[in-house]
Amino acid sequence: DGGITQSPKYLFRKEGQNVTLSCEQNLNHDAMYWYRQDPGQGLRLIYYSQIVNDFQKGDIAEGYSVSREKKESFPLTVTSAQKNPTAFYLCASSIKPTIYSNQPQHFGDGTRLSIL
Amino acid sequence: ILNVEQSPQSLHVQEGDSTNFTCSFPSSNFYALHWYRWETAKSPEALFVMTLNGDEKKKGRISATLNTKEGYSYLYIKGSQPEDSATYLCACPGAGNNRKLIWGLGTSLAVNP
Repeated sequence: DGGITQSPKYLFRKEGQNVTLSCEQNLNHDAMYWYRQDPGQGLRLIYYSQIVNDFQKGDIAEGYSVSREKKESFPLTVTSAQKNPTAFYLCASSIKPTIYSNQPQHFGDGTRLSIL
Repeated sequence: ILNVEQSPQSLHVQEGDSTNFTCSFPSSNFYALHWYRWETAKSPEALFVMTLNGDEKKKGRISATLNTKEGYSYLYIKGSQPEDSATYLCACPGAGNNRKLIWGLGTSLAVNP
């Protein structure tokens, strides 16, 4: 079955440590996204990529970095500069870039990141 | 900045009840309206993407309507079942070149058997 796989499901980070969240899709989608969810807030966009080797900052990119070296992979690194990283992280993809606003997004199961 | 608002925040109904909730958005610069269902411990699932004023879409017992002139969409669930318990999210593409989705906070539905 085609889908989006996020790993790990739970992740713990020590102070000052960088951690990388994995997101892989086998849907052959062009666009991929990283969202953060905090209690009482809507999904907030961290980074997105419209095509391989391209990515753009979302609304809350500070303290995060991404790469898009392969179409199927869009890993998110939470750096030590992100002062409040405890949250639920969702990866998503869409068949076409966001400019085609009628394309639904497909989501992974998420990664919950906590600080030790 | 585009604001997408959903009401009510939460809803408790009995099995067999029909229910509906609302997504409100600015009516200017409208591109599309997305509805998603997010069950606990699962990933959000797209229900509908609507683009035309007056559009109505249906998926089983769930349907949605769209009024772009007044800036709202209704999601209806007919004969609610416990498996309908989930958070229902709506989202609209914002203005600008990339039209990133702006998300509402969701309506949390609990259906009691």
